Amino acid sequence: DSGVTQTPKHLITATGQRVTLRCSPRSGDLSVYWYQQSLDQGLQFLIQYYNGEERAKGNILERFSAQQFPDLHSELNLSSLELGDSALYFCASSRPGLANTGELFFGEGSRLTVL
Amino acid sequence: DAKTTQPNSMESNEEEPVHLPCNHSTISGTDYIHWYRQLPSQGPEYVIHGLTSNVNNRMASLAIAEDRKSSTLILHRATLRDAAVYYCILRDGSNTGKLIFGQGTTLQVKP
Repeated sequence: DSGVTQTPKHLITATGQRVTLRCSPRSGDLSVYWYQQSLDQGLQFLIQYYNGEERAKGNILERFSAQQFPDLHSELNLSSLELGDSALYFCASSRPGLANTGELFFGEGSRLTVL
Repeated sequence: DAKTTQPNSMESNEEEPVHLPCNHSTISGTDYIHWYRQLPSQGPEYVIHGLTSNVNNRMASLAIAEDRKSSTLILHRATLRDAAVYYCILRDGSNTGKLIFGQGTTLQVKP
């Protein structure tokens, strides 16, 4: 158990819909990272937050948005869903002070299926 | 972001050591070498990381070449549970610290 909690574990929805994935980082971790893993793209970095502020942006589509709240949990919002958005979405967190060099702790992921 | 090159797949026998190579010829002075692994149906799991010197922990050892252009992850005695995709990643210690995953090496462990 990494200490990172992601909900829901599984989600099935239809094209055009909007979903929200939630991540609770390990206690005391200030950085949150979101990754997307699909069969043909591997693990893709989407976005990083540090203590509520956006820190880095990767291959995140404009239809996707994220935020980190004052209690440090994070949400990834996916809208106008397409079949290609079906994937595993992972959240990770890292310790304060080691945000750039220490290890990332990954959750078990949220599996999104768009039909 | 500096890139890494790993073999697509490797095989090992149970109870034998495994050496997983990684080339990173464009590594910069502030890049840390990180290794993660992903077991089937799980999130990636940290294995080990280092900057210049060799590192050991309870899971593995990391051998870093003197010029830092390559590294090797060493699993001292492979078990069936070590079958996973192993990712070698360069993490910029002076920047945001985000991890950029490549394709990794799929390790098969035979009983």
